[in-house]
Amino acid sequence: ETGVTQSPTHLIKTRGQQVTLRCSSQSGHNTVSWYQQALGQGPQFIFQYYREEENGRGNFPPRFSGLQFPNYSSELNVNALELDDSALYLCASSFGAAGGETQYFGPGTRLLVL
Amino acid sequence: DQQVKQNSPSLSVQEGRISILNCDYTNSMFDYFLWYKKYPAEGPTFLISISSIKDKNEDGRFTVFLNKSAKHLSLHIVPSQPGDSAVYFCAASANFGNEKLTFGTGTRLTIIP
Repeated sequence: ETGVTQSPTHLIKTRGQQVTLRCSSQSGHNTVSWYQQALGQGPQFIFQYYREEENGRGNFPPRFSGLQFPNYSSELNVNALELDDSALYLCASSFGAAGGETQYFGPGTRLLVL
Repeated sequence: DQQVKQNSPSLSVQEGRISILNCDYTNSMFDYFLWYKKYPAEGPTFLISISSIKDKNEDGRFTVFLNKSAKHLSLHIVPSQPGDSAVYFCAASANFGNEKLTFGTGTRLTIIP
C-alpha cells in the first residue's frame, strides 16, 4: 500500500509568482485535504476535495485554489504569492469526506517566498 | 482567534516517567478530539482520539482524558520512551469528526534517556 506522497519537497519562489503543489493520495482514498503550517504554528485547514469537488474551505483567500483529478490525486495552486505564504503545506488523504483519524498525512512541501 | 491552545511549547521528561501534554479549547461545538505526533520531515501521524461522550480513552501507553466542563484535554504517555520525542499536536473537530480539523500550535516533547 502506497502512502501519501507530495511533490516537490522544497520550493523557493519570489513574491507575485504562482506555485502548484501536488499530492498523491493513499490507495483507496477519495478525499484530499490541504493544510498550511506556518513556522511555530499548527496546521491550518485550507480546503478539502471529495470526489473531485471542493467540500469545505478554511479562512484562505481565493488565490488559494485546488483541483482533484479522477485518480483522486490533487493540486494546490497559489497565485500572487506573498511573503506570508512561506510555510509547510501538508496534504492528507482519507476515504470519505471526514476528518479525524482517517486522515493520513504526507510529508509536506516546504515553500519559501522571497 | 486560537480555538485550540497548547500553552506549553516544550516539555522534557525523563525516560520511564509519565509525560503529560495539555490542550485547551474554546469552541463549544467541538465534540471530537485527536492527538497527532510529528517527527521532523514527516507528516503528522494519528495517535489517539476521544469523543465528547467519553472522558477517557486508552491505547497502550497512551491515554487521553477529556474534561468537557473545563474545555480541557490531556494526553498521558506512560512509561515515556526515547522514541516518543516528537512534536505533539492536539486537534478538534465538530460533528463527531466530520468537520475540518482545528489544530493547536504543538508541544515539543523531549524524552531524556
